[in-house]
Amino acid sequence: SAVISQKPSRDICQRGTSLTIQCQVDSQVTMMFWYRQQPGQSLTLIATANQGSEATYESGFVIDKFPISRPNLTFSTLTVSNMSPEDSSIYLCSAARGANYGYTFGSGTRLTVV
Amino acid sequence: KQEVTQIPAALSVPEGENLVLNCSFTDSAIYNLQWFRQDPGKGLTSLLLIQSSQREQTSGRLNASLDKSSGRSTLYIAASQPGDSATYLCAVDSNYQLIWGAGTKLIIKP
Repeated sequence: SAVISQKPSRDICQRGTSLTIQCQVDSQVTMMFWYRQQPGQSLTLIATANQGSEATYESGFVIDKFPISRPNLTFSTLTVSNMSPEDSSIYLCSAARGANYGYTFGSGTRLTVV
Repeated sequence: KQEVTQIPAALSVPEGENLVLNCSFTDSAIYNLQWFRQDPGKGLTSLLLIQSSQREQTSGRLNASLDKSSGRSTLYIAASQPGDSATYLCAVDSNYQLIWGAGTKLIIKP
């Protein structure tokens, strides 16, 4: 299965600033996704990162707050913009080569906003 | 609307015991079901993937079964070890939409 390298692993940021999280996959994948996991909660899908076009956002998430890029089939970034303490969460990227291969996850980015 | 439930929410057992984690889902129209493990503050590690046409998958001390007709999957862990302590999540894939259970937090006591 694909291996995902996610950076940074953790960060502490000042409110009002932005952080960009990167995910690099070791092989070409069909789908890439970004999730948020708030403390003690399960995963919530933020958006599907589409190669060469705008990401598809889930209800409650908007492009201005969480801009996503996917320039090719192995790389994607998520930016958390104008951060507030409520954005403190673990952010995870995921990739899938197809329905028969399941999903692989990055190691997560633990974000604390102060 | 697909819903996934995991029972129990938490489990604490002594080292060496065999144990079963349960996952149930409401809609049998799934592509596959996947079991993951998450250590505190970390990402997810895929444990087993069961395609909709399969009944079970095995990896080392882990065995996962799938019964689509009854909407159930079980994860069996043999001879549990303290290193197995983690949260175990099941997720069903319905047309590239992963629907998650809330997880079972497992503690293996030495």
